[in-house]
Amino acid sequence: DTGVSQNPRHKITKRGQNVTFRCDPISEHNRLYWYRQTLGQGPEFLTYFQNEAQLEKSRLLSDRFSAERPKGSFSTLEIQRTEQGDSAMYLCASSLAGLAGASPDEQFFGPGTRLTVL
Amino acid sequence: GENVEQHPSTLSVQEGDSAVIKCTYSDSASNYFPWYKQELGKGPQLIIDIRSNVGEKKDQRIAVTLNKTAKHFSLHITETQPEDSAVYFCASFRTYKYIFGTGTRLKVLA
Repeated sequence: DTGVSQNPRHKITKRGQNVTFRCDPISEHNRLYWYRQTLGQGPEFLTYFQNEAQLEKSRLLSDRFSAERPKGSFSTLEIQRTEQGDSAMYLCASSLAGLAGASPDEQFFGPGTRLTVL
Repeated sequence: GENVEQHPSTLSVQEGDSAVIKCTYSDSASNYFPWYKQELGKGPQLIIDIRSNVGEKKDQRIAVTLNKTAKHFSLHITETQPEDSAVYFCASFRTYKYIFGTGTRLKVLA
């Protein structure tokens, strides 16, 4: 399967613990997005990478969230000191774009990681 | 701030009828408008998209229309089938950032 993969698919943690999610995009895709989706809502933009550079981070994202894409391939999203309000589905998407920023591109989404904070 | 409004939130149609979902965006610089279908336990999947220089696009039973002046775009599904039942999201794109609507749960009744 050459689609976007995310691991783990489900994560249950206690409040205050740190969690890390991994996203493996489609090979050769240079753009990678992280989104958060809560029940009954559309995906909410969290952050965006062009290759290994993190070019944008949502102002809604607290300092407890950090994302990396060290070699421009896979990406990790870490949440420190989790809170119950962090419970959500975390989606990753990748795309291939020729120009940085301006050109729209078709995103391919992974299946998501469902986080439950007790 | 930027937002996309989507209506209705739920829609039930009889099999074979048409379904229409409407979205309104706020950022006039948006230049790309995709529609996604999300099934339970899966990530959204692109079903059709339209760019700002086009007014209408059709792919078999699915069509999208765009009115840039009014900042409206709509998804039309004809001859609905039970497998069309899912949550549908519209989105707008501007400079790498996507803004999604709140979703429409479509139920196609057999």
